[in-house]
Amino acid sequence: DAMVIQNPRYQVTQFGKPVTLSCSQTLNHNVMYWYQQKSSQAPKLLFHYYDKDFNNEADTPDNFQSRRPNTSFCFLDIRSPGLGDAAMYLCATSGRGNRIEKLFFGSGTQLSVL
Amino acid sequence: DQQVKQNSPSLSVQEGRISILNCDYTNSMFDYFLWYKKYPAEGPTFLISISSIKDKNEDGRFTVFLNKSAKHLSLHIVPSQPGDSAVYFCAASEDSNYQLIWGAGTKLIIKP
Repeated sequence: DAMVIQNPRYQVTQFGKPVTLSCSQTLNHNVMYWYQQKSSQAPKLLFHYYDKDFNNEADTPDNFQSRRPNTSFCFLDIRSPGLGDAAMYLCATSGRGNRIEKLFFGSGTQLSVL
Repeated sequence: DQQVKQNSPSLSVQEGRISILNCDYTNSMFDYFLWYKKYPAEGPTFLISISSIKDKNEDGRFTVFLNKSAKHLSLHIVPSQPGDSAVYFCAASEDSNYQLIWGAGTKLIIKP
């Protein structure tokens, strides 16, 4: 089945230790997103790629970076995780077209910072 | 400035009854609305959507109603089942925009 896959499901890191989360998709969608979600809150968009064009949200901290080496893969790098970065990180894709119609989400990576 | 609001953080409904989840928006440029369902420790899954040219869309037990003049939409689930217990997010988008604007979610609890 075509899908969005995130690895790992659970990630524990130490305060200040860089961490990378990965996302792959078999949907051949040209738009990929990274969201941060803390419990009982709406998903917060960090950035998105339209093909190779990177679009950063104005309030996304510099501590968060992303790479998209090809259509299928996208990575989220947290350079120096703080306790406040503990959250669920969600990768999503949307298909070709001139507007978003729906997002397909991965299962998420739950990040803990010790 | 919250453009999409879900004013009920939680809702409890008896199994077999109707669940009605509400969502209000402020941006009149929104022309496409979606509902997502989220279980704990999982990503949201798409449930149902509606375009602003319609006022109702049905898919099995799920119906979404849109009242553009009131800038209000609602999701009806009939009959409610235990597996419907989840957090429901309302989201909206406007033409040529690649972002969804999300509500804060409503936690639905279906009581046996």
